[in-house]
Amino acid sequence: QKEVEQNSGPLSVPEGAIASLNCTYSDRGSQSFFWYRQYSGKSPELIMSIYSNGDKEDGRFTAQLNKASQYVSLLIRDSQPSDSATYLCAVKDRVGVNYGGATNKLIFGTGTLLAVQP
Amino acid sequence: GAVVSQHPSWVICKSGTSVKIECRSLDFQATTMFWYRQFPKQSLMLMATSNEGSKATYEQGVEKDKFLINHASLTLSTLTVTSAHPEDSSFYICSARGRYPSTDTQYFGPGTRLTVL
Repeated sequence: QKEVEQNSGPLSVPEGAIASLNCTYSDRGSQSFFWYRQYSGKSPELIMSIYSNGDKEDGRFTAQLNKASQYVSLLIRDSQPSDSATYLCAVKDRVGVNYGGATNKLIFGTGTLLAVQP
Repeated sequence: GAVVSQHPSWVICKSGTSVKIECRSLDFQATTMFWYRQFPKQSLMLMATSNEGSKATYEQGVEKDKFLINHASLTLSTLTVTSAHPEDSSFYICSARGRYPSTDTQYFGPGTRLTVL
């Protein structure tokens, strides 16, 4: 059973601080990784994707990938109260087989609830 | 770019009726669409995957005769909840993936909140 694990939180950080969200995955051969943000009562929205080891920056967000250690993280700099949400880590299944079909679906973690305190 | 819409955004129906939810990719061709269900304060649960022109692939435990999925075109997939019951009340979310802007990335629709009385 391929798994993606996240600490459910809540992770509480003060406004302006760096929030660090972590995720580990079980399939060593995974190649594609994603971070989504989900506000309460809303659907997930894509923050960023990462495919290569190292850091990838996009504005206040930095994704970090370490395939050898099988973890991916998301750093949010200068955290704002509007960043308060559940952050979902997702890993693309290399070959997903369900009842005879290959789906290459995303395997989601259970999400980490981030609370940015003003 | 990469916008996915869903209709309706919310629906209330009586027990025993069927409800159809539409998912559209507005600015890209969705070769694959995914349907999820999410109960309050719980994780996303993948129900099924559909490729355009093919039968949907359902996850274990999801009744294919109860949740009918049709992916008739590269921009439209529908989920029909047949003979809905109160336990089917949930937040149903679709996502779509195409060749552009990325073959890997799934873009989510805004979701449909279903309440069965």
